[in-house]
Amino acid sequence: EIVLTQSPGTLSLSPGERATLSCRASQSVSSNYLAWYQQKPGQAPRLLIYGASSRATGIPDRFSGSGSGTDFTLTISRLEPEDFAVYYCQQYGGLPRTFGGGTKVEV
Amino acid sequence: EVQLVESGGTLVQPGGSLHLTCSASGFIFSTYNVVWVRQAPGRGLEYVSGITNSGGNTYYADSVKGRFTISRDNSKSTAYLQVASLRAEDTAIYYCVRSSGYYDFWGQGTLVTVSS
Repeated sequence: EIVLTQSPGTLSLSPGERATLSCRASQSVSSNYLAWYQQKPGQAPRLLIYGASSRATGIPDRFSGSGSGTDFTLTISRLEPEDFAVYYCQQYGGLPRTFGGGTKVEV
Repeated sequence: EVQLVESGGTLVQPGGSLHLTCSASGFIFSTYNVVWVRQAPGRGLEYVSGITNSGGNTYYADSVKGRFTISRDNSKSTAYLQVASLRAEDTAIYYCVRSSGYYDFWGQGTLVTVSS
């Protein structure tokens, strides 16, 4: 099983700042099949990024994903008030599919 | 518009069973895999089970293997999760998710609470 470790656990930033979230895998993620999701309180998760760097439909271009192999990054270039949420990475290159523990981006 | 609507969650005693339903619309259901993902209160996301588009292959997390059964009826655009021998640690919101490998559409979830 591929274990995904997200860091930091909590990121305290202000609107307009840049957020950099890390996701490290215990082994290489096949074909860089790594996705990022955003979850706000009381809501279901929403797909942001798939294939490590492809934005999902309707996702603003301030969200970008990068990385390969075992190290992946989600960057939010300039935080908007609606971006404060919890972010999860997930690998779908191997079975079982696994999620990271999440990073909370807070004001 | 793609929609996934879960139902069937409720309060159940330890050892009990439930039948969760996921009704899909807005896309060709038979062409997509479906997974169930759960989230315990205040916790992260956990893959529970998945089924291929034809229903020919099913997958389970070790934590639910032998207790949960996933199935689907493509003629009804519906997926199911039969959950049995429930434990307190199964308490969670259960999400039905459309899968393209990555999980591109999520339902709003149904809450299963296991407690005496």
